[in-house]
Amino acid sequence: EAGVAQSPRYKIIEKRQSVAFWCNPISGHATLYWYQQILGQGPKLLIQFQNNGVVDDSQLPKDRFSAERLKGVDSTLKIQPAKLEDSAVYLCASSLMSGAGSNDYEQYFGPGTRLTVT
Amino acid sequence: RKEVEQDPGPFNVPEGATVAFNCTYSNSASQSFFWYRQDCRKEPKLLMSVYSSGNEDGRFTAQLNRASQYISLLIRDSKLSDSATYLCVVNIGNTGFQKLVFGTGTRLLVSP
Repeated sequence: EAGVAQSPRYKIIEKRQSVAFWCNPISGHATLYWYQQILGQGPKLLIQFQNNGVVDDSQLPKDRFSAERLKGVDSTLKIQPAKLEDSAVYLCASSLMSGAGSNDYEQYFGPGTRLTVT
Repeated sequence: RKEVEQDPGPFNVPEGATVAFNCTYSNSASQSFFWYRQDCRKEPKLLMSVYSSGNEDGRFTAQLNRASQYISLLIRDSKLSDSATYLCVVNIGNTGFQKLVFGTGTRLLVSP
């Protein structure tokens, strides 16, 4: 079974530039998550989609970050404009389902995109 | 107070040793609990879920104490391949959706 795919794997940009990341979840997984992992910290949830609807974006800095999952499959996360503190690994994850009874459903993570903002 | 707190380590142990990690969480309404493993420059992967009754998977034992809001992971007979960061994870979702909060992780180094 193919895992979660992400691209690019690495990206270096200057502050104030824009960048976009792409994620293709495991086939059939309804729920998709974007996390930010800063060096030395655990992943922090940015946004969660159930099919093509947003379930939780409470920790997404909406003045500069945006995300979409238009057809309920793959997703893009955009940062515009980037700041130095956005340097991190951006992880995409998917799970079979969410909602009632899903507490034990495993989230499968992609390899991440390592962003460096100079 | 952080939602999930862990000792960052590193824990340096010899092969064959037993090592235990602890984690505390602040949200008493947390629904479920997990340990994830993250190798250097890799993505996190689920190691095991944690149940109130305690659960074991081979050399790994996880315990949950809801009254003290405390989770533990015990690794017996450590292997070199156990060297990794262990992330304590709490599901704080209260609308039926899973919302995971990760600790900063505890780094384990197993030496020959």
